[in-house]
Amino acid sequence: KNQVEQSPQSLIILEGKNCTLQCNYTVSPFSNLRWYKQDTGRGPVSLTIMTFSENTKSNGRYTATLDADTKQSSLHITASQLSDSASYICVVSALADSWGKLQFGAGTQVVVTP
Amino acid sequence: KAGVTQTPRYLIKTRGQQVTLSCSPISGHRSVSWYQQTPGQGLQFLFEYFSETQRNKGNFPGRFSGRQFSNSRSEMNVSTLELGDSALYLCASSGKVQYEQYFGPGTRLTVT
Repeated sequence: KNQVEQSPQSLIILEGKNCTLQCNYTVSPFSNLRWYKQDTGRGPVSLTIMTFSENTKSNGRYTATLDADTKQSSLHITASQLSDSASYICVVSALADSWGKLQFGAGTQVVVTP
Repeated sequence: KAGVTQTPRYLIKTRGQQVTLSCSPISGHRSVSWYQQTPGQGLQFLFEYFSETQRNKGNFPGRFSGRQFSNSRSEMNVSTLELGDSALYLCASSGKVQYEQYFGPGTRLTVT
């Protein structure tokens, strides 16, 4: 069973609207959680990285929250733009700096329409 | 600073052939990780190299191998290609900044 579950699988939103993506994980012990944005045919680009002591982090119009107690994270996109159309991947690390221990979510495909 | 580069960007091979993919990490980065990404399985970890040594390995058959050179450039090789090996192969490099990892654009491999 995947230790990182993302929802929804996909969503379509109108340009200018806000949306929230969810990530639930069972990875333990927890080290850090990242959100990546991946454009079609490109490599993922890091949006935010949070450790267990951080409960919110922003990167422009992207705001990630983390509740380490309930093992949930969300990524909020404010005032969406057409360029936000991409796959958003939640990645959880069980061990600091051990890249082989990363657990990947399946991603949420976001489509922003004019 | 130049980003992670991967060559080639696209590749078409036939079943049974072998393929070598190349990755040049960001200057100064000594860790290179390789991932396979498919629509069905998502991102899966292949292996990680640090200072020319394989430090971690994922659950892939022995047909998948890799190496890292003294300049931190890395190659991965897949022998006896199967249709299921068709995927986007991503490499990522990391340096001394904790938790940071940068991905390359990927190599799209199609096996026919």
